[in-house]
Amino acid sequence: GENVEQHPSTLSVQEGDSAVIKCTYSDSASNYFPWYKQELGKRPQLIIDIRSNVGEKKDQRIAVTLNKTAKHFSLHITETQPEDSAVYFCAASIYNFNKFYFGSGTKLNVKP
Amino acid sequence: EAGVTQSPTHLIKTRGQQATLRCSPISGHTSVYWYQQALGLGLQFLLWYDEGEERNRGNFPPRFSGRQFPNYSSELNVNALELEDSALYLCASTPTGGLIGSNQPQHFGDGTRLSIL
Repeated sequence: GENVEQHPSTLSVQEGDSAVIKCTYSDSASNYFPWYKQELGKRPQLIIDIRSNVGEKKDQRIAVTLNKTAKHFSLHITETQPEDSAVYFCAASIYNFNKFYFGSGTKLNVKP
Repeated sequence: EAGVTQSPTHLIKTRGQQATLRCSPISGHTSVYWYQQALGLGLQFLLWYDEGEERNRGNFPPRFSGRQFPNYSSELNVNALELEDSALYLCASTPTGGLIGSNQPQHFGDGTRLSIL
């Protein structure tokens, strides 16, 4: 089955700096890669997603890049703010299997 | 529109007991997914229901089971509870399953925190 690895497990940045979280996946059949943000005690919320026919997607301060050849994708957050502090999860989904494989999460701490 | 709702919020059981967790998807969504999130860990896929049928399950023992009702709400049952079953159980829904559903973002509920004493 699919295996998604996520790094780093914790990330501490100064407010205004950029943060990068990386994920790798093992199954080349995976073709949908969402990112979720989970604040303490709250539900995971989708923040951005990318499909395998696209190499990069941006939404304001958030961007995701996908390298299908290397089987890795990354989340980039620019101009970080304290409210960006949360746990971020990457996931990979194989077409038509509806089985999402989640990374182990990255706890991002943005220091004011 | 109302989001995914789960009940109860918290559930305390003892070893060997049975637990039932409930989930109502977003109105119009037919696919429901269950995940286990142990403390400090990621989300582990448990089960996927679509149109009333179990379509896929993760690497969990058979004592984890569930069902989906005609109104697309779902129940997760955990039998013979063990200490390591203590976790947050999250439910998510998508508008549909299959070819389209696998490429749709999942909308999560707030979860049920199950504690085994």
